[in-house]
Amino acid sequence: DARVTQTPRHKVTEMGQEVTMRCQPILGHNTVFWYRQTMMQGLELLAYFRNRAPLDDSGMPKDRFSAEMPDATLATLKIQPSEPRDSAVYFCASGLTPTFNYGYTFGSGTRLTVV
Amino acid sequence: DQQVKQNSPSLSVQEGRISILNCDYTNSMFDYFLWYKKYPAEGPTFLISISSIKDKNEDGRFTVFLNKSAKHLSLHIVPSQPGDSAVYFCAASASRTNFGNEKLTFGTGTRLTIIP
Repeated sequence: DARVTQTPRHKVTEMGQEVTMRCQPILGHNTVFWYRQTMMQGLELLAYFRNRAPLDDSGMPKDRFSAEMPDATLATLKIQPSEPRDSAVYFCASGLTPTFNYGYTFGSGTRLTVV
Repeated sequence: DQQVKQNSPSLSVQEGRISILNCDYTNSMFDYFLWYKKYPAEGPTFLISISSIKDKNEDGRFTVFLNKSAKHLSLHIVPSQPGDSAVYFCAASASRTNFGNEKLTFGTGTRLTIIP
């Protein structure tokens, strides 16, 4: 089965440090999403790309978060500087759009803990 | 502003009985709805979906019902099995009214526990 690969699976870092999370979408998928799971908000959309172009990053705190797709096989989400409130599980998902089947494939997530 | 709401954080159901998970939405532009299932330490996986032109979609033990006038959808699982224990997320998209808008808006999830 094709899968979305996220690294690292776990990250513990000190407040103020830079954090980079990586995602390898499924080959051939043209749309990539970054979601964050928190207890209060559920799954929040941070940013997404279609054909590597950013379409919506309104969910991201712009002053500290940045999302890029250097190439079709890699998406990155950076936090600089990190803060304790950024502690959450970050998911990457990919899909083929436009489509009326929104069964996007999610990665297993990166659990980030900022102390 | 939570546009997709799952008001029950948790639900326990006896094995073999019916599980009913509920979801409400506020954005009338939403026209495509999905349910995702999530096990611990894994990403969400797509379960079933429904377009706003339908009021019911069935796939094996899973049925999703959509009531557009009430802005409410529900997921029925029958019969419930221990492997169904997971967190279920409801999601919505405004695809038809904004073609190319691929993003999904998720609820906060309901933790379903099936009691053997």
